[in-house]
Amino acid sequence: EDQVTQSPEALRLQEGESSSLNCSYTVSGLRGLFWYRQDPGKGPEFLFTLYSAGEEKEKERLKATLTKKESFLHITAPKPEDSATYLCAVQGNDRGSTLGRLYFGRGTQLTVWP
Amino acid sequence: NAGVMQNPRHLVRRRGQEARLRCSPMKGHSHVYWYRQLPEEGLKFMVYLQKENIIDESGMPKERFSAEFPKEGPSILRIQQVVRGDSAAYFCASSPHGTGGVEQYFGPGTRLTVT
Repeated sequence: EDQVTQSPEALRLQEGESSSLNCSYTVSGLRGLFWYRQDPGKGPEFLFTLYSAGEEKEKERLKATLTKKESFLHITAPKPEDSATYLCAVQGNDRGSTLGRLYFGRGTQLTVWP
Repeated sequence: NAGVMQNPRHLVRRRGQEARLRCSPMKGHSHVYWYRQLPEEGLKFMVYLQKENIIDESGMPKERFSAEFPKEGPSILRIQQVVRGDSAAYFCASSPHGTGGVEQYFGPGTRLTVT
């Protein structure tokens, strides 16, 4: 079965202190790697899709990158409003399965303090 | 453009009762997915449906759980004879098609508490 591991589990940053979140994955034939943001009591909010090694995508203070085994979510000069849990998910060509299923990691809980 | 809608947002059931969770996908989306999030665990896939068809139910418990997405109306996740272990947040997601690599958009979830 496809596996997704995120690290660290929790991260505390001071406002303006840049850092990166890691997502390691094993999948049979990557169809897509997805990053989501989840605030307490809410559903995951879509951020990025990455399809192949070397690809990068940016949105405001966030930048996602992809290699053959892992993805990074870089946060530049974070603000308190960036505090949330960031989830990574993959979709692959595992045996017999449809293309619909996403496999999620447990997430990184990010706290940015002023 | 309305997002994915789920209701109720909170549901309390006693052990042995039935729980019905509803999901209306985004406009123009015909593919629906249900996930469960247990406390301190990640999101786990349960079932993938298209209109009037179950595409993949391999993540759903074989007993007490069922799902449907009728031609008209919302998708329904039904849990019969609920037990305390069913307490969790249930999320619905939708996508415009089922081709691999398409992002799924999530609703706000239904938080089920079994007493």
